[in-house]
Amino acid sequence: GENVEQHPSTLSVQEGDSAVIKCTYSDSASNYFPWYKQELGKGPQLIIDIRSNVGEKKDQRIAVTLNKTAKHFSLHITETQPEDSAVYFCAAMGGSQGNLIFGKGTKLSVKP
Amino acid sequence: EAGVAQSPRYKIIEKRQSVAFWCNPISGHATLYWYQQILGQGPKLLIQFQNNGVVDDSQLPKDRFSAERLKGVDSTLKIQPAKLEDSAVYLCASSIGDRVFEQFFGPGTRLTVL
Repeated sequence: GENVEQHPSTLSVQEGDSAVIKCTYSDSASNYFPWYKQELGKGPQLIIDIRSNVGEKKDQRIAVTLNKTAKHFSLHITETQPEDSAVYFCAAMGGSQGNLIFGKGTKLSVKP
Repeated sequence: EAGVAQSPRYKIIEKRQSVAFWCNPISGHATLYWYQQILGQGPKLLIQFQNNGVVDDSQLPKDRFSAERLKGVDSTLKIQPAKLEDSAVYLCASSIGDRVFEQFFGPGTRLTVL
């Protein structure tokens, strides 16, 4: 079945710097790749997603890139702010299992 | 638009006891999911409903976990009897339909089994 690896597990940046989180997936049939932000005590919140027919998608300070050949996708956050501090999860869906498979998460800390 | 509602937010029980969680999805969302999130890991799907029918329960430990979605709206997830390893956050999510990928999560119920 699908397996999603996420790196790094923790990431600390200074306010204003960029942050990049990378994920790889194993099932070439997967075709939907969302990113979720989870703050302490809350459920995951969808922040951006990308489908397999698109290589890149941007939404203000957030962008996601997808390389289907290499089976990896990345989240890019520019001009980070303290409120970006949270745990970020990547996920993949559409493969043989047909449901969302999550990575283990990246704890992002943005220092003022 | 109101989000996914879950209750209770926290629950502490002793092993071998029973517990139930409740979820009310976003209005009009036909698909409902229950996930288990163990500390330090990503959510793992337990069961998926389309209206009031089960689409996928392959990861649900059926010897102790059960779920229902009567009338295709609210859902309950039950654990009986609970084990120490069931300590986790139980998340409910919903989407418009099973062919629409975007899932919206509730705040979760944090279960501690002592």
